Amino acid sequence: DAGVTQSPTHLIKTRGQHVTLRCSPISGHKSVSWYQQVLGQGPQFIFQYYEKEERGRGNFPDRFSARQFPNYSSELNVNALLLGDSALYLCASSGTDRNYGYTFGSGTRLTVV
Amino acid sequence: SQKIEQNSEALNIQEGKTATLTCNYTNYSPAYLQWYRQDPGRGPVFLLLIRENEKEKRKERLKVTFDTTLKQSLFHITASQPADSATYLCALDIYSGGGADGLTFGKGTHLIIQP
Repeated sequence: DAGVTQSPTHLIKTRGQHVTLRCSPISGHKSVSWYQQVLGQGPQFIFQYYEKEERGRGNFPDRFSARQFPNYSSELNVNALLLGDSALYLCASSGTDRNYGYTFGSGTRLTVV
Repeated sequence: SQKIEQNSEALNIQEGKTATLTCNYTNYSPAYLQWYRQDPGRGPVFLLLIRENEKEKRKERLKVTFDTTLKQSLFHITASQPADSATYLCALDIYSGGGADGLTFGKGTHLIIQP
């Protein structure tokens, strides 16, 4: 069974551009979360979606948006990129049993120049 | 807001010894506390979850304790091996049941097991 898959794995963008990151959860998982991890820090919560609806939002500006599709895959969009948006963006999926925690993908490494 | 403190200094342990990592948090106690392992360039991997009404949880060589009075969790790896070298993240899951605040992570502790 495939784990959480994210694409692309690496991306280089210019300041002011926008970017779309994609995530496919584990089969059967209906909840997808997005995290941002800068070097030397723990992941920081951005969004959580469940059954295509936003269930939670972290302390990120409106330049960040996301959506979840009927097949439970998800996109994270970031507009007007800043240098400080350079980070590893992680997607996590989870099932209904919280005892199994979250399953993370390997992330998308975004570099803004 | 919730704040989590993990010893972000690297922790060097001799192979075969027990490694003990600390996670301290402020404010209210989470419904769940989770521990993850992260290797360079990879996403975190779930290890253990402990609930607020549990004192201790074990899984193979891993043991987690949860003291809501001290607002502290300890993570133990017994009979440590060089392959256990990684960054270990503590994460709080506030989850109130009505919404989702996601996981709040600490900075992680970099564990090095010396052969």
